[in-house]
Amino acid sequence: DQQVKQNSPSLSVQEGRISILNCDYTNSMFDYFLWYKKYPAEGPTFLISISSIKDKNEDGRFTVFLNKSAKHLSLHIVPSQPGDSAVYFCAISGNTPLVFGKGTRLSVIA
Amino acid sequence: DSGVTQTPKHLITATGQRVTLRCSPRSGDLSVYWYQQSLDQGLQFLIQYYNGEERAKGNILERFSAQQFPDLHSELNLSSLELGDSALYFCASSVRDFYGYTFGSGTRLTVV
Repeated sequence: DQQVKQNSPSLSVQEGRISILNCDYTNSMFDYFLWYKKYPAEGPTFLISISSIKDKNEDGRFTVFLNKSAKHLSLHIVPSQPGDSAVYFCAISGNTPLVFGKGTRLSVIA
Repeated sequence: DSGVTQTPKHLITATGQRVTLRCSPRSGDLSVYWYQQSLDQGLQFLIQYYNGEERAKGNILERFSAQQFPDLHSELNLSSLELGDSALYFCASSVRDFYGYTFGSGTRLTVV
């Protein structure tokens, strides 16, 4: 069974608009949540994280929101840029190796 | 360059064969993690080593094994290869357990 679910395999957004990527998890023991970005022929690179004691974390154009009661994590990118086109993975840990979702492919259209 | 080096970048081999994938972690990182990414799948955790010792085990097949050497580089050995083993294999390293992974660029294995 999947502990981490990214239900949207792909998302297309116009340049300048907001991109919202979603992630659901099942285990309430998870306490550290991350987003990774992956370009073709490269390994995933860390983007932003949040611990379970917070419900929001911002870094420039990227904001991660955590709703613990709903076991839901989201990444907002504002404004979206063509260079943001990549596969985004959510990853979660509860003092364990990171568990990854299957990823969402974001395409930002100029 | 992330600082994590994986070799080779590409590998094509026949069913039934054995291959070894190599990973050199970022300088100072003691933990090494191996992940497998098959088509349309997320990154599946295989195994973690910390300073030479096995720390955690995931969905790693019995045909697969790994080790971490005194210089902290790690090798993932895949034997009796099957077509379904074709995948991207990523190595990541971190200073502390389960925190702040840095990934290599992966080894693409194709079994024919």
